[in-house]
Amino acid sequence: AQTVTQSQPEMSVQEAETVTLSCTYDTSESDYYLFWYKQPPSRQMILVIRQEAYKQQNATENRFSVNFQKAAKSFSLKISDSQLGDAAMYFCACSNNAGNMLTFGGGTRLMVKP
Amino acid sequence: NAGVTQTPKFQVLKTGQSMTLQCAQDMNHEYMSWYRQDPGMGLRLIHYSVGAGITDQGEVPNGYNVSRSTTEDFPLRLLSAAPSQTSVYFCASRGLAGNTDTQYFGPGTRLTVL
Repeated sequence: AQTVTQSQPEMSVQEAETVTLSCTYDTSESDYYLFWYKQPPSRQMILVIRQEAYKQQNATENRFSVNFQKAAKSFSLKISDSQLGDAAMYFCACSNNAGNMLTFGGGTRLMVKP
Repeated sequence: NAGVTQTPKFQVLKTGQSMTLQCAQDMNHEYMSWYRQDPGMGLRLIHYSVGAGITDQGEVPNGYNVSRSTTEDFPLRLLSAAPSQTSVYFCASRGLAGNTDTQYFGPGTRLTVL
């Protein structure tokens, strides 16, 4: 079984600045995958970034990067140079090794101020 | 490719009515799944399938049936709708090549049960 916790219901950032969204997880799997998904008002779930737990190197995708602390079971998302289009709900998720069970956190609403 | 498509986009049912939510994908993905998203919460897995003729339960399967007769389609059936099934439903799929751990989501179906 897996659990994912996002302790920040809402976050706010000034345009062009940096913000970090927190996520902690728990899993009994020896190998697993971690994801951040973005959900804008359109409701579409958009993959932002993924991390394979067996890789120590933190994943990066353009302005998005993660801080993966495996021992602490922490997986935070850093958004650099925030843009108005980054405003959305962000969900952290954990997948078992087989990829059949994807568990989501409760989400963090990110607001970007112009 | 159209990706993952879902129909209808919106549906209103009365308690006790039945209906089928449709999901199709044109990416030849073996794995397909259904999630529900309740207000202020992350997505929860209802059922999933790893290939034609194979289905399994997720975290919240009660009140829902699925079948997988083809690789492309994975319908979700509500046999007797209840107000507790009011939610937004997402279908997702993933393949076995490349980033096989990453699921791709459809646009969602908003269901209201009165």
